[in-house]
Amino acid sequence: GQQVMQIPQYQHVQEGEDFTTYCNSSTTLSNIQWYKQRPGGHPVFLIQLVKSGEVKKQKRLTFQFGEAKKNSSLHITATQTTDVGTYFCAGAGGGNKLTFGTGTQLKVEL
Amino acid sequence: GAVVSQHPSWVICKSGTSVKIECRSLDFQATTMFWYRQFPKQSLMLMATSNEGSKATYEQGVEKDKFLINHASLTLSTLTVTSAHPEDSSFYICSARLRGSWNQPQHFGDGTRLSIL
Repeated sequence: GQQVMQIPQYQHVQEGEDFTTYCNSSTTLSNIQWYKQRPGGHPVFLIQLVKSGEVKKQKRLTFQFGEAKKNSSLHITATQTTDVGTYFCAGAGGGNKLTFGTGTQLKVEL
Repeated sequence: GAVVSQHPSWVICKSGTSVKIECRSLDFQATTMFWYRQFPKQSLMLMATSNEGSKATYEQGVEKDKFLINHASLTLSTLTVTSAHPEDSSFYICSARLRGSWNQPQHFGDGTRLSIL
């Protein structure tokens, strides 16, 4: 079945440093979505990418969808303590369901 | 908009008890709801897809007789963990998708932490 891997698994940064998480799917995706889950919370939708090579920005967050529609990345510029949480990509393979990535847990230290 | 309510938030019960978890879309209709299970520090694993008015579709390895799903209306899906045992302890999360929008984001409930003693 479809597998979606993310690296790194964990990332500790100092506040103000940049952060990137990478997402790779074993199959071509129709779209990819990104979610953030705070400790003890539920996943919250961040963004969806549909087009090959698409890049979208949300303030300090930049999302990219690969040309082959099999990989994606999330980059955070100048991290803040509010960015703490686990970031999941989730791939849609054309069917009804999403396959969530393994997640990257981000910790931001002052 | 697009609020999903999940109840209860926490359940602690004895082994052998059956536990029902409700997932409601409060301000939209959801023909499809999804049930996930998440172990500590792990990803969300899809258990089943719940379709209004029809049988749920279970993922491979998920026992349908153990995890009963009912989606009786466009705003409510329930998951019943029957005869729960300690290994069923986990974080269960539901999500719902807007009716007629298969390619749209899922909106998640707050989740239910289930602890079986």
